[in-house]
Amino acid sequence: GNSVTQMEGPVTLSEEAFLTINCTYTATGYPSLFWYVQYPGEGLQLLLKATKADDKGSNKGFEATYRKETTSFHLEKGSVQVSDSAVYFCALGSSGSARQLTFGSGTQLTVLP
Amino acid sequence: NAGVTQTPKFQVLKTGQSMTLQCAQDMNHEYMSWYRQDPGMGLRLIHYSVGAGITDQGEVPNGYNVSRSTTEDFPLRLLSAAPSQTSVYFCASSSRTGASYEQYFGPGTRLTVT
Repeated sequence: GNSVTQMEGPVTLSEEAFLTINCTYTATGYPSLFWYVQYPGEGLQLLLKATKADDKGSNKGFEATYRKETTSFHLEKGSVQVSDSAVYFCALGSSGSARQLTFGSGTQLTVLP
Repeated sequence: NAGVTQTPKFQVLKTGQSMTLQCAQDMNHEYMSWYRQDPGMGLRLIHYSVGAGITDQGEVPNGYNVSRSTTEDFPLRLLSAAPSQTSVYFCASSSRTGASYEQYFGPGTRLTVT
């Protein structure tokens, strides 16, 4: 079945540091890949997505590239801000009619001023 | 647009009590899902629906019941609450069209069972 393995947290960085959160997946077919962000006390919001191999998703300075050969979708940001402190989830969209998502376990990011 | 709304925001139950978590969406989405979020485990799918009148089980359906009588509403029923059901519950919806499977999430219901 489908599965997503996400970098263990928590991650603590200083403001303006470089961020990488690793995500690898196992899936049949050609899934879509997502990064969701959850700010404290809120629901999940879509951060970025990629629907096919070699696509790069980007939003708010975050980027991730769909790498089929390494089955990865690592999240990166060149310079993090305090406001980026949140939990980040990598997710995979299953094929078929049900359109379900399989989530990684989440990575807590704390950015210190 | 309100998007996906959930009520209540917080709930405390005693073991054995029953209750219904409400979820509604105003985007005319065909697909709706319920997830639970537990520390270190990400989100796990409880039940989902691909349209009014059609529901199916997800990864962790035991102890929960759903129905989908309208496109807008997808309530989740806890039949006899247990401490293991203490969690944060999220409802999500998505459209049948489009190449991706982007889902829109509600703000969540934090449930404690004592």
